[in-house]
Amino acid sequence: GDSVTQMEGPVTLSEEAFLTINCTYTATGYPSLFWYVQYPGEGLQLLLKATKADDKGSNKGFEATYRKETTSFHLEKGSVQVSDSAVYFCALHSGGYQKVTFGTGTKLQVIP
Amino acid sequence: DTAVSQTPKYLVTQMGNDKSIKCEQNLGHDTMYWYKQDSKKFLKIMFSYNNKELIINETVPNRFSPKSPDKAHLNLHINSLELGDSAVYFCASSLRSGGALETQYFGPGTRLLVL
Repeated sequence: GDSVTQMEGPVTLSEEAFLTINCTYTATGYPSLFWYVQYPGEGLQLLLKATKADDKGSNKGFEATYRKETTSFHLEKGSVQVSDSAVYFCALHSGGYQKVTFGTGTKLQVIP
Repeated sequence: DTAVSQTPKYLVTQMGNDKSIKCEQNLGHDTMYWYKQDSKKFLKIMFSYNNKELIINETVPNRFSPKSPDKAHLNLHINSLELGDSAVYFCASSLRSGGALETQYFGPGTRLLVL
């Protein structure tokens, strides 16, 4: 079955540091890949997505590239802010009536 | 203008009680979901409905019963609540479930505490 593996958190960074959160997946076929973000006390919201190999999703300074050869979709940001503190979920969808498979989430804490 | 809304936001109740959580979306989406998020933030899908029809039913105790009176609403009824049911329950919707491009839109969550 489909699965998503994320690096364990929490990740603590100083403001303006470079962020990488690793995500790898296993899936049949050619899934779409997503990053969702959950701010404290809120529901998840889509951060970015990519639908085919070599696609790069980007939003709010975050980027992730769909790497089929390494089955990865790592999230990066060049300079994090305190407001980026949240839990980040990597997810995939294999299409059709398949469920979306979420990773376990990685908590990011950015300190001033 | 809330896209996906849930009520109540907080629910504190005694073990053995029966409770319901309501969800409504005004996005015109065909598909709705219920997720359970535990204290470690692990997110697990419970149910999915497409146009009022159940399409995903994960391994969930039959004390949990979803009901979709129309495609804009998906309610969750829980019988005989247990301590282990304490969690945050999220409702979500997507335009349709048949496309890999579909973004899910989440509600704010219902924080259930069973005492």
